[in-house]
Amino acid sequence: GQNIDQPTEMTATEGAIVQINCTYQTSGFNGLFWYQQHAGEAPTFLSYNVLDGLEEKGRFSSFLSRSKGYSYLLLKELQMKDSASYLCAVIDSNYQLIWGAGTKLIIKP
Amino acid sequence: KAGVTQTPRYLIKTRGQQVTLSCSPISGHRSVSWYQQTPGQGLQFLFEYFSETQRNKGNFPGRFSGRQFSNSRSEMNVSTLELGDSALYLCASSPPGQGAFSNEKLFFGSGTQLSVL
Repeated sequence: GQNIDQPTEMTATEGAIVQINCTYQTSGFNGLFWYQQHAGEAPTFLSYNVLDGLEEKGRFSSFLSRSKGYSYLLLKELQMKDSASYLCAVIDSNYQLIWGAGTKLIIKP
Repeated sequence: KAGVTQTPRYLIKTRGQQVTLSCSPISGHRSVSWYQQTPGQGLQFLFEYFSETQRNKGNFPGRFSGRQFSNSRSEMNVSTLELGDSALYLCASSPPGQGAFSNEKLFFGSGTQLSVL
């Protein structure tokens, strides 16, 4: 079967750095997304990776290793507004999006 | 530009009833996909519509159906509701391009929270 694993919950301190991991086992790979979802709100796009390496976008960076079936989202200079769920999703060989259950990130002052 | 609009925001139904959810995509977006989200589970793909045609379908029973109109607005229907259908139903649209499952990012609505009693 297809599987995407993310930690269920993480806690970090305001101003710190946190890394949210995502490992996947899918039938094929055509790209990986990260989305942010605040409680009660719509998920919003953060990043897309299809090649190995690090993509940096302001305080957020996303890394991909296709050979290891692994990605992470790195959040720097954490702010209270970063408290949200972070969803990892992989496009498989049939161009279906397979979603992880999401990681709830709690930021403490 | 208005975002993806889903109505209603909240819905309470009883077992055996049916329900229709509505989604208006961002203007110019022709692809609309539907997802079910429950606590502790990833988003589960229901189906995708493009130009009024169902282009992709997930592994949900036939009680779940949908359609898309010529103006790209989409509706999702669930018949004979079961307790396990309680979930947040999200609709997403994507801009013209290769479709919802390429590198086109999805724009989500805030969802309809369905509670089945």
